[in-house]
Amino acid sequence: EVQLVESGGGLVQPGGSLRLSCAASAYNFGSYWMSWVRQAPGKGLEWVANIKQDGTEKYYVDSVKGRFTISRDNAKNSVYLHMNSVRAEDTAIYYCVSMKYGTATTLDSWGQGTLVTVSS
Amino acid sequence: QSALTQPRSVSGSPGQSVTISCTGTSSDVGGYNYVSWYQQHPGKAPKLMIYDVTRRPSGVPDRFSGSKSGNTASLTISGLQTEDEADYYCCSYAGTFNYVFGTGTKVTVL
Repeated sequence: EVQLVESGGGLVQPGGSLRLSCAASAYNFGSYWMSWVRQAPGKGLEWVANIKQDGTEKYYVDSVKGRFTISRDNAKNSVYLHMNSVRAEDTAIYYCVSMKYGTATTLDSWGQGTLVTVSS
Repeated sequence: QSALTQPRSVSGSPGQSVTISCTGTSSDVGGYNYVSWYQQHPGKAPKLMIYDVTRRPSGVPDRFSGSKSGNTASLTISGLQTEDEADYYCCSYAGTFNYVFGTGTKVTVL
């Protein structure tokens, strides 16, 4: 099982930028697809983005395309979410999630989440 | 994509069974056998309970089971226990490495 720890959340003004980080403890981190999922306060879950094992493929929910970028550094066992042009509706807890080993069909292990608040 | 439709809440007494439905379309639930279910206690991260429609990760009690018919998936909790009180979310693969979650269901143990 992959252990995940997110960091980088906080208060950001509308139109601003933020970078979320996720540190993974897994000896074969490079074998996992990785994702970000968010949850607005009191609301449901929403898949945001995911990235292939080698970083060559990235996919996003329509509402963040062109504003958010997912990336990874397998040498550092880390995945990132670069958030630009943030909006009030981006306010949420952001969870880092590893997909089931070798697959891209199941969101498996979850971090504890990091809260992003977009407000002036 | 639109969120999958779940009942807002279900309830049952200890020992009873409850079933949560998750309705999508032929582009998600009906098109793939990649439906998963997550349990979320207040203030906690979600936990995978069922994947690939019917499979249980190791450590998940066999009281939890999943099924699918057409565009609707279901999670059944048999022998309901107090610790099962939580929010439950379904999730389906929706093609091209996209995923869609359900609206969420609050399970109350009476």
